[in-house]
Amino acid sequence: DAKTTQPTSMDCAEGRAANLPCNHSTISGNEYVYWYRQIHSQGPQYIIHGLKNNETNEMASLIITEDRKSSTLILPHATLRDTAVYYCIVTNDYKLSFGAGTTVTVRA
Amino acid sequence: NAGVTQTPKFRVLKTGQSMTLLCAQDMNHEYMYWYRQDPGMGLRLIHYSVGEGTTAKGEVPDGYNVSRLKKQNFLLGLESAAPSQTSVYFCASSYEEGAVDGYTFGSGTRLTVV
Repeated sequence: DAKTTQPTSMDCAEGRAANLPCNHSTISGNEYVYWYRQIHSQGPQYIIHGLKNNETNEMASLIITEDRKSSTLILPHATLRDTAVYYCIVTNDYKLSFGAGTTVTVRA
Repeated sequence: NAGVTQTPKFRVLKTGQSMTLLCAQDMNHEYMYWYRQDPGMGLRLIHYSVGEGTTAKGEVPDGYNVSRLKKQNFLLGLESAAPSQTSVYFCASSYEEGAVDGYTFGSGTRLTVV
């Protein structure tokens, strides 16, 4: 699995877009970028994944740079319920490894 | 459709006692996983299964055993509990191609070993 680097924590304002960065400079051609989040005391929740192209679903958008060395998860209109730890995972394996992630706090 | 159900949700064990954690999924997923999460840390893979009757070791398998006798169930056993096994345990499942929909996690079992 490619190593990922995420900020330890970040704050964002309720109603604004939250942009969560992830660096993965050693990513290989067949590795996907996954994003999960973990709301306090709950099991992690799948958000989105992508290989090369940008992706969007009902929860978020994933922007992957052309060289694939970094990506950004965008929560378009953050709510208080989006406060969670967000994990960026890069892998081509069905076994996922969860690091420390980014603690995102959405403030009213 | 319940997804992934973990039993029990909470448990306190004395050192040396044994117990089994049950994970059940109703999504016909082939792959199942057991993780542990210690305070302030990410999840670490204990054991996993790629299908009924199969099991394999993950990152931190020592002190645990698993069984997958039925496709829908994945059991995690602690034969002789130790305080170092105090943790939150999460079970997850996925289709064979994990990239399709990602993992579905259970709500966790909070285990304290005293």
